[in-house]
This record gives sequence, C-alpha cells and structure tokens, in this order.
Amino acid sequence: KAGVTQTPRYLIKTRGQQVTLSCSPISGHRSVSWYQQTPGQGLQFLFEYFSETQRNKGNFPGRFSGRQFSNSRSEMNVSTLELGDSALYLCASSVRTSGELFFGEGSRLTVL
Amino acid sequence: GNSVTQMEGPVTLSEEAFLTINCTYTATGYPSLFWYVQYPGEGLQLLLKATKADDKGSNKGFEATYRKETTSFHLEKGSVQVSDSAVYFCALSFSGGGYNKLIFGAGTRLAVHP
Repeated sequence: KAGVTQTPRYLIKTRGQQVTLSCSPISGHRSVSWYQQTPGQGLQFLFEYFSETQRNKGNFPGRFSGRQFSNSRSEMNVSTLELGDSALYLCASSVRTSGELFFGEGSRLTVL
Repeated sequence: GNSVTQMEGPVTLSEEAFLTINCTYTATGYPSLFWYVQYPGEGLQLLLKATKADDKGSNKGFEATYRKETTSFHLEKGSVQVSDSAVYFCALSFSGGGYNKLIFGAGTRLAVHP
C-alpha cells in the first residue's frame, strides 16, 4: 500500500513569490492535515481537510491556504513568501479523526 | 493554553539500556495523548496512544501511561536497540478541536550505540 506522497520534495523560492505544495494521501484516507516544522517553532498545525471541506485551521496568517479535491488529494499554497516561511511542510492523512496520522516525508521549502 | 513539554535531547544510550523520555502537558480538559517517532529520512509514525487517564499505550516494546494527576505521559522501553535511534515526539489533541489537530512537543533525539 503506497504511503503519503508529497511533491516537490525540495524547492527554493525568493521572497514575495508564491508556492504550491501537493499531497496524495493513502488510498481510502479522506482526511488530510498539514503541518509546518521548523527548528525554532517545532511542529505546528496548519489546517485539516476532510471530504473537500476545511475542518480545522491553525494559527497562521491568511497567506497560507489549502484545498482538497474530490479524490482526497490536497494542495497548500503560500503567497507572498517571507524568509520565515522556510520550513519542512508535512502532510498527513488518516481514515478518521482519531489522531492516528500517517505522515509523508515532507516538502522542504527554502526562501531566499 | 495547551502545550507539551519534552525533555531536551539528545539522549545517548548503549544498546540494551533502559529508556525514559519525559513528557508533561498543560491542557484545559482531558486530551488524548500520543507518541510519534521519526526515523532518519522518514515521515513521522504513530508509536502509541492513550485516550483517557490511566490508559497504557504500548507498541514495539515501548510503553507510556496517561497520568492525569501528574499530567505526564512518559515513554519507556526496557532494552533499547540501535534501530530505535530516532526523534520521538509527544503530542496531544482534543475531540472538540478535532483529534487530528495535534499539538506536538519539541521532540527528543535518541541515539543508541552498540
């Protein structure tokens, strides 16, 4: 069974640009969550989607957005990038809301 | 607010040593508690969980007991192996906030030497 797949794995952007990250969940998983991991702030919850609806949102500015498609694949977008957005962005999928998440390896974003 | 505090690493042990990684939490209400592990080059994996006070989660020789009186969820293993070298994260979530909205601790790196 394929795991959670995130693309791209690495990317470099400059300040002011925008970026879109993609996540394909495990087959049959309808919930997709996104987390940001940085050395300073650790792992922080961004948002969760279930059946194409945002169910939960973390404490991030509106520059961070996401969506989920009918096949459960999800994308997150960060507009007007800032240096502080440099991080590992992790996607996780789950069958239900139980806290049992299956994480991908992440997309490492560097903002110059 | 709600938060999780873990002991700072790295924790360095010899093979077959006893492991304890401390985790305490601050929460309004009664959260579910989790331990996740991140092996080198891999995504996080759920190691074990406990959903109510006095529950014991266990998996792969690891154990943790939900202690409401001390607001703790310490991770233990009787005999570690080199393959246990990884970063361990303690986390909590609430049913009202959505169980998949996890609040993580900073992580504790474990290095086990032969």
